[in-house]
Amino acid sequence: DTEVTQTPKHLVMGMTNKKSLKCEQHMGHRAMYWYKQKAKKPPELMFVYSYEKLSINESVPSRFSPECPNSSLLNLHLHALQPEDSALYLCASSQDRGDGYTFGSGTRLTVV
Amino acid sequence: EDQVTQSPEALRLQEGESSSLNCSYTVSGLRGLFWYRQDPGKGPEFLFTLYSAGEEKEKERLKATLTKKESFLHITAPKPEDSATYLCAVRTHDYKLSFGAGTTVTVRA
Repeated sequence: DTEVTQTPKHLVMGMTNKKSLKCEQHMGHRAMYWYKQKAKKPPELMFVYSYEKLSINESVPSRFSPECPNSSLLNLHLHALQPEDSALYLCASSQDRGDGYTFGSGTRLTVV
Repeated sequence: EDQVTQSPEALRLQEGESSSLNCSYTVSGLRGLFWYRQDPGKGPEFLFTLYSAGEEKEKERLKATLTKKESFLHITAPKPEDSATYLCAVRTHDYKLSFGAGTTVTVRA
C-alpha cells in the first residue's frame, strides 16, 4: 500500500459545527502532516507529527485541533471555523525527517 | 528568509513542443529540492528529489536538474496528459517543505 487515504473527500459545515477530517497510511511512515491549500496557492504547512508526537505547529488557530491516535492515523478536529477557512486540506506522510513525502487527495472543506 | 520562486506562472504548449520550467531558490541550507505534479482538486504527486548541484533525474518525458541556485524541469515532447500544475519545494529543516507558487502547464493537442 503506497497511498495516503483521506476522508471525507468533500465537507460542508456551518460555523457552529464540529467535524473531523481523517487521514490514514500504511507505509510505515513515522511523520504525518496537515497542509492547507487555498485556490491557486501552494500548500501551507499546519502541523507535523513525528513518532506520534506533535513536533511542529505553524501558529495555527486553536479552532483546528490535530490528533494522532497511532502511527497510521491522523485526525484534524474542526470547531467554530470561519468562511475563510474554506480550502483543500491535505494530509501527507514521510519517512523520518521529511524525505519522500506522499500526499493524500485532500478534503475539500467549505465553511458556510 | 527562505524563498522559492517559480517561473513562468503559466505555460501553454502545443503537443510535442518541448519547454522548461524554472525554480529558483534562496535558502540557508538546502536539504533537498522536490518536484511535484498537482491536478485540479487533487493532492500533489511526487516526481523527483534532488540533493546536490549537478544532479539530474528523469521520468518518462520529464527531466529535472539542479544547480546551486535553481532547478529546471524539462518537458520533452509533451502530451495533453502532461497538463497540470508543477510545484517545486525545498527542504531546509527537518520535516518542513517550502513550496513555490507553481507553474500551470497546458498542453494542447
